[in-house]
Amino acid sequence: DAGITQSPRHKVTETGTPVTLRCHQTENHRYMYWYRQDPGHGLRLIHYSYGVKDTDKGEVSDGYSVSRSKTEDFLLTLESATSSQTSVYFCAINSDREGDTQYFGPGTRLTVL
Amino acid sequence: AQTVTQSQPEMSVQEAETVTLSCTYDTSESDYYLFWYKQPPSRQMILVIRQEAYKQQNATENRFSVNFQKAAKSFSLKISDSQLGDAAMYFCAYITGSSNTGKLIFGQGTTLQVKP
Repeated sequence: DAGITQSPRHKVTETGTPVTLRCHQTENHRYMYWYRQDPGHGLRLIHYSYGVKDTDKGEVSDGYSVSRSKTEDFLLTLESATSSQTSVYFCAINSDREGDTQYFGPGTRLTVL
Repeated sequence: AQTVTQSQPEMSVQEAETVTLSCTYDTSESDYYLFWYKQPPSRQMILVIRQEAYKQQNATENRFSVNFQKAAKSFSLKISDSQLGDAAMYFCAYITGSSNTGKLIFGQGTTLQVKP
């Protein structure tokens, strides 16, 4: 258990509405990540953060933004949700002590109607 | 660009027997790490085993072991004495060791069924 929680765990929303997912960690890890998981694609990186207010894009960043105002919290925002963003979203942290090993939160299932 | 390929969408094994899941990857780098993650129906991503590319010795964690063939860019997972609780989707993943970004690249996954 790497002390990672995600909220909400499930969310149903409508197309065009803004959505924010929260990832919270308790162990002061520098690196945090957001992935999405879709059938046939495994997990794909959306955005990542390497410190407070330091973020960068991943493989599938279009339509998403992130913020990190505190070490422990990493927020993922869908400014205007679309049905193609229906997915399971995972947050992860990078454990520098274990050679770049990543540990994952429990996931958030998001459905956009 | 680095890629990870799992060519077996589904596998099955009899309880107490051994099964091997395949993974190949493509990279031009010499410094990297490889992982196997397990995702049971609960959806939680659980680290199973980790291998550093610079180590020739294959990693082992209890009933789980890997066959790491660096020249062939192959990284298979062997599960011995399979148990019903091993039923899950398994993902192979790669991360470069030469970057601070720590971006994991995943394969498409293999669903393992364990038959009683």
